[in-house]
Amino acid sequence: DSGVTQTPKHLITATGQRVTLRCSPRSGDLSVYWYQQSLDQGLQFLIQYYNGEERAKGNILERFSAQQFPDLHSELNLSSLELGDSALYFCASSGITQYFGPGTRLTVL
Amino acid sequence: GENVEQHPSTLSVQEGDSAVIKCTYSDSASNYFPWYKQELGKRPQLIIDIRSNVGEKKDQRIAVTLNKTAKHFSLHITETQPEDSAVYFCAARGSQGNLIFGKGTKLSVKP
Repeated sequence: DSGVTQTPKHLITATGQRVTLRCSPRSGDLSVYWYQQSLDQGLQFLIQYYNGEERAKGNILERFSAQQFPDLHSELNLSSLELGDSALYFCASSGITQYFGPGTRLTVL
Repeated sequence: GENVEQHPSTLSVQEGDSAVIKCTYSDSASNYFPWYKQELGKRPQLIIDIRSNVGEKKDQRIAVTLNKTAKHFSLHITETQPEDSAVYFCAARGSQGNLIFGKGTKLSVKP
């Protein structure tokens, strides 16, 4: 167990809908990273938050947004969902080393 | 842009043999290189990491070597076992502090 939690584990929704994924980092970690992993694909970095502020941006679509709250949990919002958004979404928290949560499997039908 | 190349994409070995996975990175300022193991449908798990001031690090059957001049690093697994079968990802820390991952190596260890 990495100490990073993510909810929900699975999410099934329809095209055009909006969903919110939640992540709680390990105790003491201020950074949260979001990654997308499509079938047979590597880990694509989406966005990083540090202590409530956006720190770095990767290949995140404009339809996606994130935020980190004062208690350091983070939410990733995905809107106007498309079939191609179906993927595993991981968050990771770090000091120096990144530890991954169990992921949320999103299926867009 | 920053990127990490990883080879091979698939690797099949006999139980007891060694496995080597190689990565190259583009950003000479990268100073931290972790390796993750991911079993099907599960989270990537850190198995070993190395910092740029060290050339080699070992942990039981796993070792990582780093050549900063050539900008490449490798994962060595000795005495492979069937439970080593998984996808392995190398990564390098990017200029924004995030990790840049290679595309992964699917390792199969045949009993």
